[in-house]
Amino acid sequence: DAMVIQNPRYQVTQFGKPVTLSCSQTLNHNVMYWYQQKSSQAPKLLFHYYDKDFNNEADTPDNFQSRRPNTSFCFLDIRSPGLGDAAMYLCATSRDRAYGETQYFGPGTRLLVL
Amino acid sequence: SQQGEEDPQALSIQEGENATMNCSYKTSINNLQWYRQNSGRGLVHLILIRSNEREKHSGRLRVTLDTSKKSSSLLITASRAADTASYFCATARNSGNTPLVFGKGTRLSVIA
Repeated sequence: DAMVIQNPRYQVTQFGKPVTLSCSQTLNHNVMYWYQQKSSQAPKLLFHYYDKDFNNEADTPDNFQSRRPNTSFCFLDIRSPGLGDAAMYLCATSRDRAYGETQYFGPGTRLLVL
Repeated sequence: SQQGEEDPQALSIQEGENATMNCSYKTSINNLQWYRQNSGRGLVHLILIRSNEREKHSGRLRVTLDTSKKSSSLLITASRAADTASYFCATARNSGNTPLVFGKGTRLSVIA
């Protein structure tokens, strides 16, 4: 089945230690998104890729970076995680980004910062 | 901000009852979507309604859209314990290549 896969499902890191979360998709969608979601809150868009074109949200901290080496994979790098970065990180894809295409989400990676 | 606002924030009902959630937004939209999120999981797309549509059905789901009031409602009929989840509305602007904007969600608890 076509899907969005996130690994790992749970990630524990230490304060200040760089961490990378990964996302892959078999949908062959052009757009990949990364969201941060804290408890009982809406998903907050960090950035998205339209093909290789990177689009950063204005309020995304510099501590968060992303890479998309090919259509299928996208990575979220947190350079120096702080306690406030503990959250669920959701990856999503859409066929296109025009006029709010339907998004397909992975199961998420829950990040714990010690 | 275009962010949708769901109402109520939390809803608790008995199995078999209907659940209604509302969403309000601020700017003109191309479409509005509803997503479900089970605890600790990703979001799942439920239904999309376009700005020129007023009502849409999918199984036990009924969505209405009133663009004059900038509001939408999601009705789940004959609710089941498995419907327990958070429900988010997401709006798509009427111009430009901009991603969806998600609201804060309604947490629905269906008690068996």
